[in-house]
Amino acid sequence: DAGVIQSPRHEVTEMGQEVTLRCKPISGHDYLFWYRQTMMRGLELLIYFNNNVPIDDSGMPEDRFSAKMPNASFSTLKIQPSEPRDSAVYFCASSLRDVIEAFFGQGTRLTVV
Amino acid sequence: AQKITQTQPGMFVQEKEAVTLDCTYDTSDPSYGLFWYKQPSSGEMIFLIYQGSYDQQNATEGRYSLNFQKARKSANLVISASQLGDSAMYFCAMREGQGNQFYFGTGTSLTVIP
Repeated sequence: DAGVIQSPRHEVTEMGQEVTLRCKPISGHDYLFWYRQTMMRGLELLIYFNNNVPIDDSGMPEDRFSAKMPNASFSTLKIQPSEPRDSAVYFCASSLRDVIEAFFGQGTRLTVV
Repeated sequence: AQKITQTQPGMFVQEKEAVTLDCTYDTSDPSYGLFWYKQPSSGEMIFLIYQGSYDQQNATEGRYSLNFQKARKSANLVISASQLGDSAMYFCAMREGQGNQFYFGTGTSLTVIP
């Protein structure tokens, strides 16, 4: 298996633009997590899905952030409009079932200028 | 209260020596998993080792072992025979049976000195 695949790897955008980050989890995994990593705040869980259903989105910073999982093999995290403080590395991770390790994608480094 | 606490922001170890990275956790859920991840300077998150709350023996994976002390709620990572490639950030994490989200610590930066 190719592992968790995220795209793009790097994104530079101007403030106010819409940004869409994409994730393909490992086939067969039924949990998908979106994390944000910054120097100041470390790793923050934004949202996670179980069987394509959002379970907990309490970590989503504000209404500018939204996430979807239309099917078991694809998820998106959208920021609209983007702001400079959204600059971070965004990780997607998936796992097979509860209480088992999650495998991370390579991350998307987002820079909003 | 913090779910995962890593009190060592930075650690140094001599090459070929062993090093212990500390991690304590807080949960009332009887079913949980404990994990360690490595993040090298390239940025990816690499899963290292897993310990289940019901596991009787400490987990081991090659040069990595997890010193699980349930009563003390600690899950320290021991790296034996350190190598230069072990220099990285190390994150301790926990996943509870209820809720299933992962809680991460703030990380420990390990530097291996030749």
